[in-house]
Amino acid sequence: QKEVEQDPGPLSVPEGAIVSLNCTYSNSAFQYFMWYRQYSRKGPELLMYTYSSGNKEDGRFTAQVDKSSKYISLFIRDSQPSDSATYLCAMTSYDKVIFGPGTSLSVIP
Amino acid sequence: DTGVSQDPRHKITKRGQNVTFRCDPISEHNRLYWYRQTLGQGPEFLTYFQNEAQLEKSRLLSDRFSAERPKGSFSTLEIQRTEQGDSAMYLCASSLAPSGRTYEQYFGPGTRLTVT
Repeated sequence: QKEVEQDPGPLSVPEGAIVSLNCTYSNSAFQYFMWYRQYSRKGPELLMYTYSSGNKEDGRFTAQVDKSSKYISLFIRDSQPSDSATYLCAMTSYDKVIFGPGTSLSVIP
Repeated sequence: DTGVSQDPRHKITKRGQNVTFRCDPISEHNRLYWYRQTLGQGPEFLTYFQNEAQLEKSRLLSDRFSAERPKGSFSTLEIQRTEQGDSAMYLCASSLAPSGRTYEQYFGPGTRLTVT
């Protein structure tokens, strides 16, 4: 079993839809939980990070962490074509970051 | 632009040749990470430096791979005797430590290696 699991998609939604992206993990020692966005042929860029269970909102993005279930989510409201990218969940283990395989998202105009 | 830069962006080499990649981190960042990413996968940790010290190296990393950060600024990643399985995107990231900001890594655009 991999430490971090993520549905690879691809996920295709119409513009304006609410998108839900999810990851599960197995290591209860993970400390920080992050979401990175990666456009084609680019390096990942940090979208959001959270430390504790609960929700964190930043504009159209909401990150949710449930440590008891070892489950994290990213919600995108009012999705835009510019949101089309691969979304990587990631977690810190001491001084390392462990990434999920990523979910490919396409937002259709 | 003061972001992370990597050179070259693309490298095509024949099996058995040696290749070297360079990464220039954000200037005030003291931590530098190397990752490898294959199609459909997330970045996989290879090694990281704090200043010039290499603090950890992945157990999955072959002895053919070596990384340096001689003056605590730029870093190089060398792959000796390349194999087709080395074909991947090699990503560099930097962060500021020890403020606990392991989560806040800034990535470069990557070097795409193709071994023929």
